[in-house]
Amino acid sequence: GAGVSQSPSNKVTEKGKDVELRCDPISGHTALYWYRQSLGQGLEFLIYFQGNSAPDKSGLPSDRFSAERTGGSVSTLTIQRTQQEDSAVYLCASSSPSLAGDDTQYFGPGTRLTVL
Amino acid sequence: AQTVTQSQPEMSVQEAETVTLSCTYDTSESDYYLFWYKQPPSRQMILVIRQEAYKQQNATENRFSVNFQKAAKSFSLKISDSQLGDAAMYFCAYYSISNFGNEKLTFGTGTRLTIIP
Repeated sequence: GAGVSQSPSNKVTEKGKDVELRCDPISGHTALYWYRQSLGQGLEFLIYFQGNSAPDKSGLPSDRFSAERTGGSVSTLTIQRTQQEDSAVYLCASSSPSLAGDDTQYFGPGTRLTVL
Repeated sequence: AQTVTQSQPEMSVQEAETVTLSCTYDTSESDYYLFWYKQPPSRQMILVIRQEAYKQQNATENRFSVNFQKAAKSFSLKISDSQLGDAAMYFCAYYSISNFGNEKLTFGTGTRLTIIP
């Protein structure tokens, strides 16, 4: 079936603007993750959604970052008042964890965000 | 907190030869998964291989195999018969399954693999 999809593929914005990044997980996957990949920090966890549980927001770097997941499927990561240090590739992953299932995370192609 | 270390920033190998990428990790947990992901220039993270810590047998996937040494907390990836398409950044990752609420991947810094024709 279809993999994880993300849009846009690339986003260039001006400092101070808000941006929204979208992730469509694999159909039926209950868990969804956002990671950030930047030159200086490597791959960092941002936020995790699992079913109807409260999300784990422990990786969000500041209150300018927020994310939601509607209907247990599509997720949007929003960055308000973007700063140059927000420039990075934002990766989304999904998985279908269960007691004896496959916790493997499958990644989307990422969104490259450039803040001028 | 768990940490993952990849001590080889870059590696190169002749086409058709074998190469081993190193990974060590630090954890106090007894139950976890380990992964190798590959990231080509397209930036899509692709699963290469997965190892459950409770399994003593090393995982294999075609030309890819791991040497999992749980006591030494070592998880190396061996690529046999290297092909040009194997050129990519390789990331080792740790996943906790015994710490509910902490189900995130912790990544190493990556090893860039170059295949020499």
